[in-house]
Amino acid sequence: ELKVEQNPLFLSMQEGKNYTIYCNYSTTSDRLYWYRQDPGKSLESLFVLLSNGAVKQEGRLMASLDTKARLSTLHITAAVHDLSATYFCAVDQYLMDSNYQLIWGAGTKLIIKP
Amino acid sequence: NAGVTQTPKFRILKIGQSMTLQCTQDMNHNYMYWYRQDPGMGLKLIYYSVGAGITDKGEVPNGYNVSRSTTEDFPLRLELAAPSQTSVYFCASSYPGQGPNEQFFGPGTRLTVL
Repeated sequence: ELKVEQNPLFLSMQEGKNYTIYCNYSTTSDRLYWYRQDPGKSLESLFVLLSNGAVKQEGRLMASLDTKARLSTLHITAAVHDLSATYFCAVDQYLMDSNYQLIWGAGTKLIIKP
Repeated sequence: NAGVTQTPKFRILKIGQSMTLQCTQDMNHNYMYWYRQDPGMGLKLIYYSVGAGITDKGEVPNGYNVSRSTTEDFPLRLELAAPSQTSVYFCASSYPGQGPNEQFFGPGTRLTVL
């Protein structure tokens, strides 16, 4: 059974600082997704990582995937208040008959203080 | 494209009442999902469907029912509402057969059972 663990679950940081959120998963997969959720809102797709070594960047956020280590990182550079949100990672689990299911991490609540 | 739409946005039910949460997508996605998210928590899969006429249970199906008669619609039925079903419900869709299993979410339905 695939399990996905995020850490930290809660992160409070100052504007201008750098930090990394980690997403570990327990069995083989080469498809991982990062989502953002603002308070009271729905989930928005941030990054789709589809192979070992994949790296995607959008503004101050950069995501990477190491399928051998079963690890993805979401790196925040020079954080700004607007990045305050909850970030979820999710990993594709292959089922039978070409079916897939996303297994979700618990989410990391990020608060960025001025 | 409207993407994934959900109705209603908010609802208050009394214990024992029933209701149907509506979900429609216009992206011709074959996969559709229902999740619930309790305050401050992650997502829990209730039911999912890999195509019209095919549904399957997720992690927390008790107290809910679904049907999928068309590709576009995936309603969630709550029978005999209980306070434990107070939550935010998200519908999502994806098309893993044509690429990544990136899920697209609706805006959510906030349900309170009193």
